Amino acid sequence: QSALTQPRSVSGSPGQSVTISCTGTSSDVGGYDSVSWYQQCPGKAPKLMIYDVTKRPSGVPDRFSGSKSGNTASLTISGLQAEDEADYYCCSYAGNNYVFGTGTEVGVL
Amino acid sequence: EVQLVESGGGLVQPGGSLRISCTASGFTFYNYWMTWVRQAPGKGLEWVANIKQDGTKKNYVDSVKGRFTISRDNARNSLFLQMNSLRGDDTAVYYCARYGGYYLDDWGQGTLVTVSS
Repeated sequence: QSALTQPRSVSGSPGQSVTISCTGTSSDVGGYDSVSWYQQCPGKAPKLMIYDVTKRPSGVPDRFSGSKSGNTASLTISGLQAEDEADYYCCSYAGNNYVFGTGTEVGVL
Repeated sequence: EVQLVESGGGLVQPGGSLRISCTASGFTFYNYWMTWVRQAPGKGLEWVANIKQDGTKKNYVDSVKGRFTISRDNARNSLFLQMNSLRGDDTAVYYCARYGGYYLDDWGQGTLVTVSS
């Protein structure tokens, strides 16, 4: 039950694209199409942004997209906006358990 | 509107016990798996435990097995976490959340549990 590995921080200018990676193992990310992504603003509860690797809940802007290859999942924010500045966490089902990523701080320059 | 409201957090001494609660509204509580997720100060999210709709299946992260017990009362739309033998590294904001599938689609605002002498 080790945490999934994410970069500590990524940043970009408004309008640019950034991608956050989430690396696990064949027992979690690689074994199931059940990766989700959460946005957490300071002092707030997490908010679901992507589920089942690629699906977007209603109300989440389409500039957020997800993908997966092998044991690594990714979240891409296209057309970065100031309001996207937050912490982002991936999460994977791991067979009766769940494991979160280490978290990535997204900065907008 | 889905609402999840946690309560019962506070200061407890190492080795002590605490029971936190989550009251749900705005959806049919007994139809959903539920979970607890915690976040230590300045740290990331950690999945703690989950429970099936009828309470017959429960899962825990290794670090809390044998110390924490998740339970629910569907008649009262409530989720609980009984925490025993608390340690300093259990200090965290504890969130309750609802499963939409293999993901958490609604979260409460959290309750802070501080373990300190």
